[in-house]
Amino acid sequence: QQPVQSPQAVILREGEDAVINCSSSKALYSVHWYRQKHGEAPVFLMILLKGGEQKGHEKISASFNEKKQQSSLYLTASQLSYSGTYFCGTPTNFGNEKLTFGTGTRLTIIP
Amino acid sequence: NAGVTQTPKFQVLKTGQSMTLQCAQDMNHNSMYWYRQDPGMGLRLIYYSASEGTTDKGEVPNGYNVSRLNKREFSLRLESAAPSQTSVYFCASSDGAGGVGEQFFGPGTRLTVL
Repeated sequence: QQPVQSPQAVILREGEDAVINCSSSKALYSVHWYRQKHGEAPVFLMILLKGGEQKGHEKISASFNEKKQQSSLYLTASQLSYSGTYFCGTPTNFGNEKLTFGTGTRLTIIP
Repeated sequence: NAGVTQTPKFQVLKTGQSMTLQCAQDMNHNSMYWYRQDPGMGLRLIYYSASEGTTDKGEVPNGYNVSRLNKREFSLRLESAAPSQTSVYFCASSDGAGGVGEQFFGPGTRLTVL
């Protein structure tokens, strides 16, 4: 079942903060976050694992609440380069590489 | 290091025509994926391959076939295209790692079926 993302869209001024949420109706084993700029391919941001481990390249913070079956992505002091659509993906089963993605959150940063 | 490459970049088909989308990766990854992306629908998995010679259905496999030719290449075939298959198709690969591997996406193929 597809994870639910909120909000669907958000507009920020440069320097403002944003939180993007991802929740699932089934147990979460990990949450994967990707960002896609308009007309481009999705790019990996990070993976959050049970137990608190995180894997990622960028200095973006996120949380993973296993009990609530949700994850949040925190974008602080937003920059123009943060604009894009953010997708969360969750594995269909533990250890499974097949991901189900949410419908995305479109983030627009204006100067 | 080209990463994940896809051909063609754009394609227009008439209903009932067939075509094969090609994907190749040069990162020595075991796992490869085909997704479709429709406006407002996010990414939906069509097929997945954990290794050469193995394939597994995703969420939306109907109307598609795949072939994992070797470790590098994973092709997607539309046998009889329908307008509902108009979409952007992305191929991706990862090193697997038990479901915690980063997926690398190709640039996509924009397919229109008239």
